[in-house]
Amino acid sequence: GAVVSQHPSRVICKSGTSVKIECRSLDFQATTMFWYRQFPKQSLMLMATSNEGSKATYEQGVEKDKFLINHASLTLSTLTVTSAHPEDSSFYICSADRRGGYNEQFFGPGTRLTVL
Amino acid sequence: AQSVTQPDIHITVSEGASLELRCNYSYGATPYLFWYVQSPGQGLQLLLKYFSGDTLVQGIKGFEAEFKRSQSSFNLRKPSVHWSDAAEYFCAVGGAGTALIFGKGTTLSVSS
Repeated sequence: GAVVSQHPSRVICKSGTSVKIECRSLDFQATTMFWYRQFPKQSLMLMATSNEGSKATYEQGVEKDKFLINHASLTLSTLTVTSAHPEDSSFYICSADRRGGYNEQFFGPGTRLTVL
Repeated sequence: AQSVTQPDIHITVSEGASLELRCNYSYGATPYLFWYVQSPGQGLQLLLKYFSGDTLVQGIKGFEAEFKRSQSSFNLRKPSVHWSDAAEYFCAVGGAGTALIFGKGTTLSVSS
């Protein structure tokens, strides 16, 4: 099956620092990757759509200057939370859309970000 | 507007009893439908998906779901619940190459 990894799985940082989260499709190419955010005991909300070689498309209300997304290759997308604050603490989950066929999206295991 | 509604926030079922989790969707195009399960602090695990064809879909762990276009529903069922099924369940809808829209989730508790 298709595997998507995320690194790190858990990160704790101080307020004001930046944190980079990587999302990799390990055994397939992903033209499109999606970044979701999940607050405790809530559902997943789409933050942005990341297409290889082009700028990400952000959902309304998501600050593109705060959540920098780079999709440099067909297997890697990164999310950088810049100048993180406690309210950015959340569970960040990526998914990768495998090329061709149906909407075969595969989710990463998620990254728990805690900002102190 | 595109949306997914899971009417039940929390359900408690006795171990060994049957389970049905409801999901209704609103989607402008041909819907692809999914059920995911999430344990506390964990990622999502895909239980089953519907793209086309037979409207009764079998998934992992003994789960099944039935797509009813006329009712815009995709309810999840299991004939006999096990204590290990206690978790958060999310229904989601999407289209080809698009992000998924998730419902708010249903928390399943299993009593002995």
